Amino acid sequence: QVQLVESGGGVVQPGRSLRLSCSASGFSFSAFAMHWVRQAPGKGLEWVAVISYDGSDTVYADSVKGRFTVSREDSKNKVYLEMSRLRVEDTAVYYCARDSVSYCGGGSCYSHDFWGQGALVTVSS
Amino acid sequence: EIVLTQSPGTLSLSPGERATLSCRASQTVTSNYLAWYQQRPGQAPRLLIYGASSRATDIPDRFSGSGSGTDFILNISRLEPEDFAVYYCQQYGNSPKTFGQGTKVEIK
Repeated sequence: QVQLVESGGGVVQPGRSLRLSCSASGFSFSAFAMHWVRQAPGKGLEWVAVISYDGSDTVYADSVKGRFTVSREDSKNKVYLEMSRLRVEDTAVYYCARDSVSYCGGGSCYSHDFWGQGALVTVSS
Repeated sequence: EIVLTQSPGTLSLSPGERATLSCRASQTVTSNYLAWYQQRPGQAPRLLIYGASSRATDIPDRFSGSGSGTDFILNISRLEPEDFAVYYCQQYGNSPKTFGQGTKVEIK
């Protein structure tokens, strides 16, 4: 069955960096675009970024553009979110999610049919 | 960006009752690319509906979606205990993808 497991969350000071990882299993990882979605404590969902199935295209929310970088390593079935210049308002649970359509190669792709359990990132001094 | 407004904010109903949730977009959603997600406390969201009206895999048929353009509806025909949760709509036809603020369905 499809499984997504995030790791790398923790407490970090404002202005510092952190990298999240998402390990995927149970499906052909290299055929699917992958997304990151976050949820601030007690708040709603915010889409953050997507990387195409082949890694050739990435799209970001304006709130993270220029600070966050999404990448993938198909040999390890992993997707990453490198977060730099972190702000207090980046505090959230970060979910990785699979795109619901295979071989989405550009744009922000589609909906999200499988989600990980999330990794909590707390930005605080 | 497209703003999605969900109503009501909270819906208080009893098991067995019908729930009707609304999602209104600030502009036309391209190709009716509108999804609904359920989020139970402490859990990740779960995809219920995509393309405004198509049920995702393994989703019970008591869940149905309808609508087009700017107005969309999620119906739950008969509420089961596990259906009491928060529901989010999301449009994915325009970049950036955006979510509504959520509707909480609580036990009356």
